[in-house]
Amino acid sequence: AQKITQTQPGMFVQEKEAVTLDCTYDTSDQSYGLFWYKQPSSGEMIFLIYQGSYDEQNATEGRYSLNFQKARKSANLVISASQLGDSAMYFCAMRETDTGRRALTFGSGTRLQVQP
Amino acid sequence: GAVVSQHPSRVICKSGTSVKIECRSLDFQATTMFWYRQFPKKSLMLMATSNEGSKATYEQGVEKDKFLINHASLTLSTLTVTSAHPEDSSFYICSASTGGRGNTIYFGEGSWLTVV
Repeated sequence: AQKITQTQPGMFVQEKEAVTLDCTYDTSDQSYGLFWYKQPSSGEMIFLIYQGSYDEQNATEGRYSLNFQKARKSANLVISASQLGDSAMYFCAMRETDTGRRALTFGSGTRLQVQP
Repeated sequence: GAVVSQHPSRVICKSGTSVKIECRSLDFQATTMFWYRQFPKKSLMLMATSNEGSKATYEQGVEKDKFLINHASLTLSTLTVTSAHPEDSSFYICSASTGGRGNTIYFGEGSWLTVV
């Protein structure tokens, strides 16, 4: 079974509008971390936001916020006021800390295109 | 600035030759580094976990004799693709962790390998 599922291969959004990128996860660990990364065409992985499983509040970082619904095992990324430079691949990832495995497991990604 | 540096960013090599990719942590000591591979328009797949001073742990299906990983110091891990074939052409990216359960994961810039 996939541990990280991103059901949107591609998304379009108008500049200045908000967009939500979906991510659901599957784990039996009680302690885990959820990450979102942006990957432009250059290939680098740009860290956007992190949510720990025990964090009571949704994480926010500037225009990025994470809609964390633990019971539904979802960790959607919300980008507000989209900019043309936001066009990129976006990956949701999880690190399961109970098992001691510190590597990230990635979803299949969502390609976001911001239109002027 | 980058806290994890990866070199070279792009490399072209002939079939049958070996190529080495370096991953360096610049501002911290990385007890663990991770090597991922990414095919075009696909997600990042973990290849192996590199532990300083011990043998790397390879993921199922990854040939350890083909993808040699050495983590000789707390700041350097190397991935050597031996007897490269065109199907080894891919984007390889490393990440480093300072340890612990937090969100301290840093990625290198990635390396584009083309085998001709």
